[in-house]
Amino acid sequence: NAGVTQTPKFQVLKTGQSMTLQCAQDMNHEYMSWYRQDPGMGLRLIHYSVGAGITDQGEVPNGYNVSRSTTEDFPLRLLSAAPSQTSVYFCASSYMDSPLHFGNGTRLTVT
Amino acid sequence: GIQVEQSPPDLILQEGANSTLRCNFSDSVNNLQWFHQNPWGQLINLFYIPSGTKQNGRLSATTVATERYSLLYISSSQTTDSGVYFCAAANNAGNMLTFGGGTRLMVKP
Repeated sequence: NAGVTQTPKFQVLKTGQSMTLQCAQDMNHEYMSWYRQDPGMGLRLIHYSVGAGITDQGEVPNGYNVSRSTTEDFPLRLLSAAPSQTSVYFCASSYMDSPLHFGNGTRLTVT
Repeated sequence: GIQVEQSPPDLILQEGANSTLRCNFSDSVNNLQWFHQNPWGQLINLFYIPSGTKQNGRLSATTVATERYSLLYISSSQTTDSGVYFCAAANNAGNMLTFGGGTRLMVKP
């Protein structure tokens, strides 16, 4: 099992550019989510999915889109990057009401 | 939504010492988890503990749901225990966790 795999590990964008952060899991987990972590703060939920074809907003969804076409993949799209989106992004997955497993994160800088 | 507060925010220990980290939450929960973020940024799940007590080696956790708090105990601390410990809670179906601000632990040799 590779667990939760995030790519890329690092990314630098210019303001206004778009990109997709990839997340894949091989544990057949129905639940997947995206968090962002800013310096000195805990993690904040961006979007989540309870199964293929189902997504919903978390605490800080503005500026981000997600889709869940398969159980394995849950990409996060930034449509028009802003400096306020500079952060470390973590993808996580689990069975419902079970321990949450995190990927190793993507460090994004928007200049 | 639910509020999660952790204390202390920072903790420095000598290797071999014991410590207790606290997590308070503002509402009833059906999901409470503890995580360790190591110095390389990786987040590791330590406990899934919406109620009761669990132990895993030198670590143990207790959640008293009726009093809205959870405790993480670290015994005989080692330098590898350094990092940030997060508590996260939810009061809905699923794993839409709200994280506390973390406790930053440094264990000195």
